[in-house]
Amino acid sequence: SQKIEQNSEALNIQEGKTATLTCNYTNYSPAYLQWYRQDPGRGPVFLLLIRENEKEKRKERLKVTFDTTLKQSLFHITASQPADSATYLCALRPLDTGRRALTFGSGTRLQVQP
Amino acid sequence: EAQVTQNPRYLITVTGKKLTVTCSQNMNHEYMSWYRQDPGLGLRQIYYSMNVEVTDKGDVPEGYKVSRKEKRNFPLILESPSPNQTSLYFCASSLTGQGYEQYFGPGTRLTVT
Repeated sequence: SQKIEQNSEALNIQEGKTATLTCNYTNYSPAYLQWYRQDPGRGPVFLLLIRENEKEKRKERLKVTFDTTLKQSLFHITASQPADSATYLCALRPLDTGRRALTFGSGTRLQVQP
Repeated sequence: EAQVTQNPRYLITVTGKKLTVTCSQNMNHEYMSWYRQDPGLGLRQIYYSMNVEVTDKGDVPEGYKVSRKEKRNFPLILESPSPNQTSLYFCASSLTGQGYEQYFGPGTRLTVT
């Protein structure tokens, strides 16, 4: 069955370090992959989108990589700040289904300690 | 301000009492969608709409109905709510369904007793 896996355990890092979050998927051929940030009780906010033919995307302190061979995306936040503390969700839109549904992972909670 | 609005934000109801959660966007987006979010299960898509009068089931459509009579509005209808529909609901929209970022509403927390 199709599955998207994100580390359910919270990631705790010190301010200034680089946070790396992982999104693994199985039985998907994604057309693209998106990353969102979600704060408690609020709707997700879009951060970055990377397409299947792109290896890397950057936006300010954020970097996303996409390895379709490993079936994995890595999401990096450099020079992390306490304000980066939130849950980060990855989402896939499958290439190989007729439906256009976007499927989300369960998210990884990031805690940046001052 | 570009936004997606949902109402109500909080709702407590009883089993079987029909309810509607409204969703509206002011960005002229073609694509709209409803999700529910439950602890440990993440966001799951209920229904989506590619454009006016075009709707389709997501991953968990049972017990829900939607309609898209106008481009800006996409209400979620629970004809006979049950306790297993207690959840946090999000409406989202995007320019089209072809890979654009999704804008989410603030959420509706529904409790069915």
